[in-house]
Amino acid sequence: GQQVMQIPQYQHVQEGEDFTTYCNSSTTLSNIQWYKQRPGGHPVFLIQLVKSGEVKKQKRLTFQFGEAKKNSSLHITATQTTDVGTYFCAGRSVNDYKLSFGAGTTVTVRA
Amino acid sequence: EAGVAQSPRYKIIEKRQSVAFWCNPISGHATLYWYQQILGQGPKLLIQFQNNGVVDDSQLPKDRFSAERLKGVDSTLKIQPAKLEDSAVYLCASSFTTNEKLFFGSGTQLSVL
Repeated sequence: GQQVMQIPQYQHVQEGEDFTTYCNSSTTLSNIQWYKQRPGGHPVFLIQLVKSGEVKKQKRLTFQFGEAKKNSSLHITATQTTDVGTYFCAGRSVNDYKLSFGAGTTVTVRA
Repeated sequence: EAGVAQSPRYKIIEKRQSVAFWCNPISGHATLYWYQQILGQGPKLLIQFQNNGVVDDSQLPKDRFSAERLKGVDSTLKIQPAKLEDSAVYLCASSFTTNEKLFFGSGTQLSVL
């Protein structure tokens, strides 16, 4: 079955620095979604990417969908304490349209 | 707009007991999902409904888990009997249609002792 892998599992960042988290799927995706889960909270939708090579920005967050539609990345610039949480990618396979979540990247920020 | 409602928020039971969770999705959302999230992992789909029909229950342990969505609105998820490894957060989510973004409820944190 489809597998979605995320790296790194943990990201410890100095406030003000940039970082990137990566998502890779074992199968081609029709689309990919990103969610953020704050500590003790539930996943909240951030964005959906559909087109090959698509890039979308939300303030300091930049999301990219790979040309082959099998990978994606989330880049955060000038990290703030409000960015703390776990970021999940969720890929929808072209084979069966099931949405599979990665294990997430947990981000902590040191001031 | 009201979000996805779930209850209870927390539940502690002993192994072999039964437990039920309730979910009321956002009004008008045809698709409803139940996910299991074990600490440190991503959400794992247990069952997906489209209106009151099951779309995917391939990862639902059917010997102990059951779910229903009568009338295509709210839904219940039941575990009987519970095992220690069922300790997790059970998240309900809904979406307007199958291919759109998910709205999650606050979840039910289950501890099986």
